[in-house]
Amino acid sequence: DTGVSQNPRHKITKRGQNVTFRCDPISEHNRLYWYRQTLGQGPEFLTYFQNEAQLEKSRLLSDRFSAERPKGSFSTLEIQRTEQGDSAMYLCASSPPPALSGSSYNEQFFGPGTRLTVL
Amino acid sequence: AQTVTQSQPEMSVQEAETVTLSCTYDTSESDYYLFWYKQPPSRQMILVIRQEAYKQQNATENRFSVNFQKAAKSFSLKISDSQLGDAAMYFCAYGGNYGQNFVFGPGTRLSVLP
Repeated sequence: DTGVSQNPRHKITKRGQNVTFRCDPISEHNRLYWYRQTLGQGPEFLTYFQNEAQLEKSRLLSDRFSAERPKGSFSTLEIQRTEQGDSAMYLCASSPPPALSGSSYNEQFFGPGTRLTVL
Repeated sequence: AQTVTQSQPEMSVQEAETVTLSCTYDTSESDYYLFWYKQPPSRQMILVIRQEAYKQQNATENRFSVNFQKAAKSFSLKISDSQLGDAAMYFCAYGGNYGQNFVFGPGTRLSVLP
């Protein structure tokens, strides 16, 4: 297993277009997180899945954003009608269930991110 | 809502010396976790150290240790014997007891001088 992967690594789009990003977590990790990180800032939490259930969504996740994890494995994050303010690095992270680590809260393993530029 | 504050945007340390990065947080929860993550330039975020709030003993991982003061809501990171590879952005983060409410601080950029 090579860790969390994200595709594409870079995406340039024009304002108003839709974009979709994919995240493949580490196998057997049941939790999956999406974050947005702008230059010089810390990651901002967007949403979180446990298996296929979306358990939490940030207020940052406007109606233009939607995330899915249909079979509890990979996840997609879609942004509709992109705006220049959406330009950022989108990070995905996964963590294993407590049974695998003996802890009720587990380390999040981060992917390399997808850098989105909206022109 | 939980908040995490890092008051030092930038820090520098001489190689082999010790440096302490500060972090304060605010929460009304009693059970939670605190983390320090490292993000090297153009590289992935990795976990440096984790502290469970119910544990009074400060966490230690090799050259990295924390000073956790629950009443003061303070969580500082001490890096001993600093190495050039320690140069990175360091983020303090808060997490709820079941993976919820995960919040990162704004980060501290650490430079290590040879």
